[in-house]
Amino acid sequence: GAVVSQHPSWVICKSGTSVKIECRSLDFQATTMFWYRQFPKQSLMLMATSNEGSKATYEQGVEKDKFLINHASLTLSTLTVTSAHPEDSSFYICSALRGEGHRTQYFGPGTRLTVL
Amino acid sequence: KQEVTQIPAALSVPEGENLVLNCSFTDSAIYNLQWFRQDPGKGLTSLLLIQSSQREQTSGRLNASLDKSSGRSTLYIAASQPGDSATYLCAVKAGANSKLTFGKGITLSVRP
Repeated sequence: GAVVSQHPSWVICKSGTSVKIECRSLDFQATTMFWYRQFPKQSLMLMATSNEGSKATYEQGVEKDKFLINHASLTLSTLTVTSAHPEDSSFYICSALRGEGHRTQYFGPGTRLTVL
Repeated sequence: KQEVTQIPAALSVPEGENLVLNCSFTDSAIYNLQWFRQDPGKGLTSLLLIQSSQREQTSGRLNASLDKSSGRSTLYIAASQPGDSATYLCAVKAGANSKLTFGKGITLSVRP
């Protein structure tokens, strides 16, 4: 099946620093990728939809200046958490849409962010 | 606004038992519904996807049903095994390019 990778799988950083997370579709091109955040025992919450070559669409309540998304190529989207704070500690998961018609969404393995 | 509910939040069963996981959604105008499995600290693995025109899908010991009119889906797991222990998430989609709306998941523990 299709593979979506994320890097890094986990990261620990100090408060105030910025962290970049990469999401790659390894064997298909994805014009659309999604970024989700998942807190413990909670459902995945969509943060933004990333479209190749255009600005990301953010969900209500998600600060676009804090969570910078860049979808510069058909196989790579990045999420940068700027000036991270402890409350940003979470599990971040990306997914990529593949195909035409009944488009299938493939998920990455997630990135655990811990902000000290 | 679509809301997806999965109750109970956790379930513990002995090995070998057949079980049903429930999912309900408030807006019946869906494009498809998907069941995922998530192991602790891991991403999501798609188990079954049911298009709005379908009533059920089967894969091995898993069977998912969809009743759009009542806003319900069930995931049936036959002859459960300890390896089935994981969190099972239900998600619905309003359109082909729409976002997935997830439930909080049901954490299943199958006791040897």
